Amino acid sequence: AQSVTQPDIHITVSEGASLELRCNYSYGATPYLFWYVQSPGQGLQLLLKYFSGDTLVQGIKGFEAEFKRSQSSFNLRKPSVHWSDAAEYFCAVPPGAGSYQLTFGKGTKLSVIP
Amino acid sequence: KAGVTQTPRYLIKTRGQQVTLSCSPISGHRSVSWYQQTPGQGLQFLFEYFSETQRNKGNFPGRFSGRQFSNSRSEMNVSTLELGDSALYLCASSHDNSGNSYNEQFFGPGTRLTVL
Repeated sequence: AQSVTQPDIHITVSEGASLELRCNYSYGATPYLFWYVQSPGQGLQLLLKYFSGDTLVQGIKGFEAEFKRSQSSFNLRKPSVHWSDAAEYFCAVPPGAGSYQLTFGKGTKLSVIP
Repeated sequence: KAGVTQTPRYLIKTRGQQVTLSCSPISGHRSVSWYQQTPGQGLQFLFEYFSETQRNKGNFPGRFSGRQFSNSRSEMNVSTLELGDSALYLCASSHDNSGNSYNEQFFGPGTRLTVL
């Protein structure tokens, strides 16, 4: 079965600093991969997705992620963090095409120091 | 286009009671999934409905059930509530075309259930 690991439970960065959130997956074939963001008291918003093709994926709010098959990773990056980026970030993978049963990582909570 | 709506947003129940949560998907979306989010277990898949049929089910006891109506609206029910059922319940919808590809899921704001 597929699995997703987010090694960092909590990360604190200063506003304007760069950010990288780690995600490692376990999956037999080339996976679909997602990053979602959840602000306090809110549902999940899709930041970006990887289905196939270009391994560098651009998302909303200035985020990008790079799929690295050799490292089984899909790390989320942002060059300059804004205070409004403080939230919890989840990496997720479905079992395959046609299934909406997402498996989520445990999440990384991002705090931003003004 | 309106997003996924969930009602109620907050709910307080006592142990042993039952509860019904409602989800209205984005117009045109036929797939509806439910997830439970708790601090300890994180986000866990409950079940997915498509065209009024349960297509996938997660590893939850039979106290958790759901259904989908012909207009794609969905409800989930939890019977004999336990303290551990306190959670944020999220609904997500997707525009499923053929079942052979993946379409992104759009999440609602969730229903916060507290069991006392």
